[in-house]
Amino acid sequence: DTAVSQTPKYLVTQMGNDKSIKCEQNLGHDTMYWYKQDSKKFLKIMFSYNNKELIINETVPNRFSPKSPDKAHLNLHINSLELGDSAVYFCASSPWTGGQYNEQFFGPGTRLTVL
Amino acid sequence: AQSVTQLGSHVSVSEGALVLLRCNYSSSVPPYLFWYVQYPNQGLQLLLKYTSAATLVKGINGFEAEFKKSETSFHLTKPSAHMSDAAEYFCAVTYNQGGKLIFGQGTELSVKP
Repeated sequence: DTAVSQTPKYLVTQMGNDKSIKCEQNLGHDTMYWYKQDSKKFLKIMFSYNNKELIINETVPNRFSPKSPDKAHLNLHINSLELGDSAVYFCASSPWTGGQYNEQFFGPGTRLTVL
Repeated sequence: AQSVTQLGSHVSVSEGALVLLRCNYSSSVPPYLFWYVQYPNQGLQLLLKYTSAATLVKGINGFEAEFKKSETSFHLTKPSAHMSDAAEYFCAVTYNQGGKLIFGQGTELSVKP
């Protein structure tokens, strides 16, 4: 299947731990994103990468570090997890044609619970 | 600051009734506009998009939306609701600032039998 995939789907961990979420897309897109959906279902962008280069860092704490080893992958590493990090994290990707960004395709989400 | 407002966090309609979900954006510069749907415990799926072509946009599952620049609106409609339409709907805009999507607060659509 062509899609955006994320692992794990659920992540439960203790405060202070370090965890990673992986994202892969096989759509051949140039741009990838991370979004956070809070408990009220509000969605906000965290990062975007275009061809492995960071384009957007939306005032996210330094504890969050995205890494893009290649165009098809954008992983999210979180250090020293806090209770407020509990949320659903969505990865997305989009093509980049003619200098214009297009609609984004979303992964299934990773529900992170920090205890 | 650029923002998107969805009027009504929860809309309830009867099966077969008209669905109208409202979305307004705050900018004098026309953005690209999108409607996404999120079913429980799933990711977001694109319903339709406006990218400065036709102002009436048709999407999947019988949904359509009309871009009205004078009203800075992009309301989503469906003539006849189906039980399977029950979900969370998000309006979003982008001004191509690195592809950043700005989302509205979401509207939960309930469909009564």
